[in-house]
This record gives sequence, C-alpha cells and structure tokens, in this order.
Amino acid sequence: AQSVSQHNHHVILSEAASLELGCNYSYGGTVNLFWYVQYPGQHLQLLLKYFSGDPLVKGIKGFEAEFIKSKFSFNLRKPSVQWSDTAEYFCAVNARGSSNTGKLIFGQGTTLQVKP
Amino acid sequence: NAGVTQTPKFQVLKTGQSMTLQCAQDMNHEYMSWYRQDPGMGLRLIHYSVGAGITDQGEVPNGYNVSRSTTEDFPLRLLSAAPSQTSVYFCASSPLFKDIQYFGAGTRLSVL
Repeated sequence: AQSVSQHNHHVILSEAASLELGCNYSYGGTVNLFWYVQYPGQHLQLLLKYFSGDPLVKGIKGFEAEFIKSKFSFNLRKPSVQWSDTAEYFCAVNARGSSNTGKLIFGQGTTLQVKP
Repeated sequence: NAGVTQTPKFQVLKTGQSMTLQCAQDMNHEYMSWYRQDPGMGLRLIHYSVGAGITDQGEVPNGYNVSRSTTEDFPLRLLSAAPSQTSVYFCASSPLFKDIQYFGAGTRLSVL
C-alpha cells in the first residue's frame, strides 16, 4: 500500500529564512506527486505538481520541489519565506495508472509558522 | 465559476443522528472524492467515484455512505453519527485522467 511521510510536523521560521519540508513516499511504481497548501481558514490549493520530465518543478509564490526517484522523495523548498506563507502544507502521492486515478494519499501535514 | 461547493459549512450533531453532507461541482469532472481531515493525520480518503453510478471505498469508509446519481453531485451520508466522526470534511473533484484535485471549502462537523 502507498504511504506518504512528512518529516516535520511543525516548523517555525523567521521571515527571509530558507525553507525545506521533507516528503518521502513508499511505492515501487510510477507516481504523480503534489504539494498542497492550506492557508488559515481556507481550503486546500495546489502549490505544485510533478508528473514527468524535469525533476525540479516550480510552483506558485516562489515555491519549488525536487523529485529524487532514488530516494523516493519530493521535498518542498523556498529560498526566503514571508509571513504570508504561514499555512499547513501537505505532500500527496498518486500511483500512476487508471486503476488509481485520483486516489491521492496524503502525508500528515506540516504546519509552518513564519514570524515577522 | 463556482468550482466545488460544499454545504453546510458547520454542523453539530448528537450521537446517533444521521445527516448528509452535500458536494456539487460545475466543472464536469468525472472523479469526485470525500476526505476527512484530523489533526496530525493529514487527509484520509473516505469514498470516491470515477463517474455517475460508480463509487468505491477509500481508507476510512466505515460509518459513511455515498451515491453518485449525476456527474455534478456526490453527497456523503452519515448513517448514525458518532463522536469519532468529529472532523473537517473536504470534497474534491478532478478530470479523470489528470489527477489535479480541486477542493471545496470544507464542512466542520462536531458530534456530541
């Protein structure tokens, strides 16, 4: 069965600090990878996605993520965080193939608190 | 463009009561799903549907029923509410083979 693990449950940073949130998944086949963000009081929004091609993907608001197949990882990064990045971040994985289409498996989530 | 609409936004139930959480999407998406979000556990899939008339169970289906009579609507029924079902429920939809899911605003449910 697929599973997703996010290493950090709660991260506190000062503005302008760099961010890296870890995400590892367990599945031996081909996967689609996602990072979703949930700002306080709002619903989940797609931050970025990886389907194929360049393993370094760029998303909205200056976020990027790198897919390292050998490590089963898809870590999220941002060089300089802002107070408005305070949110909960979820890594999600979907096994490629029609029988699994749409069945996202989410990690536990990481709460990011950015201090002004 | 409304996207995915969930009603109600908040609900308080007593143990044993039943209710239906509504979800509607106007994007003509084939795939729809229900998740529950609990602290420290991320989102867990309850039920999903790949098209009208087709539903299947996710990770945590017990205590919930779904049906999909139209492409647009995917209601979630709690048959006999229990305190363990206190959670935030999210409905999502996606084009069937593209896997980007669009989420509703959520329903916060408390079962006393």
